[in-house]
Amino acid sequence: QQQVKQSPQSLIVQKGGISIINCAYENTAFDYFPWYQQFPGKGPALLIAIRPDVSEKKEGRFTISFNKSAKQFSLHIMDSQPGDSATYFCAAKGTYKYIFGTGTRLKVLA
Amino acid sequence: ETGVTQSPTHLIKTRGQQVTLRCSSQSGHNTVSWYQQALGQGPQFIFQYYREEENGRGNFPPRFSGLQFPNYSSELNVNALELDDSALYLCASSWGGRGTGELFFGEGSRLTVL
Repeated sequence: QQQVKQSPQSLIVQKGGISIINCAYENTAFDYFPWYQQFPGKGPALLIAIRPDVSEKKEGRFTISFNKSAKQFSLHIMDSQPGDSATYFCAAKGTYKYIFGTGTRLKVLA
Repeated sequence: ETGVTQSPTHLIKTRGQQVTLRCSSQSGHNTVSWYQQALGQGPQFIFQYYREEENGRGNFPPRFSGLQFPNYSSELNVNALELDDSALYLCASSWGGRGTGELFFGEGSRLTVL
């Protein structure tokens, strides 16, 4: 019940394409759902986040879609760029801790 | 505004030794959380410190311990190191204790246990 399942494990997208990463959770007590971007040798950096009372949030080329009834949320990266090549983690916040997905390694081809 | 800083960035220890990792929280943040990230995995919650006390703990044995200081900086101590302790240890700061908001991570301390 504490898991967050993330897919796909890896993703290759052409420059200008749309990257889509999906996550699913079980615990309905989670109250905050961020996405983090991590480059090799660096710590995760907060990208965008959403609360469960909102179905969609957009910041620039990044959009979170949230489906509360299905307990799923996804990250969409529009007009993907080579600089977006990184590992992306979804997460869900519980009482005092975040549960992270296993990560998606995104490669955007030039 | 200074971000989260961690030290050392890399270290190598042998099995059975002890290690101390340090973290300075982002200015304005009073809560520090520690996460372990094994290679190719997502971060796993170790514990959180708020008001100098452990505020919550993940599924890690007691040989993982920590401290938070009055200036909100923190230490992670690991005793009796095992090979499986090899990982990137991430410190994250936030505001608000159990009601903590956004997490801001440092660059991590890469621990290798031989």
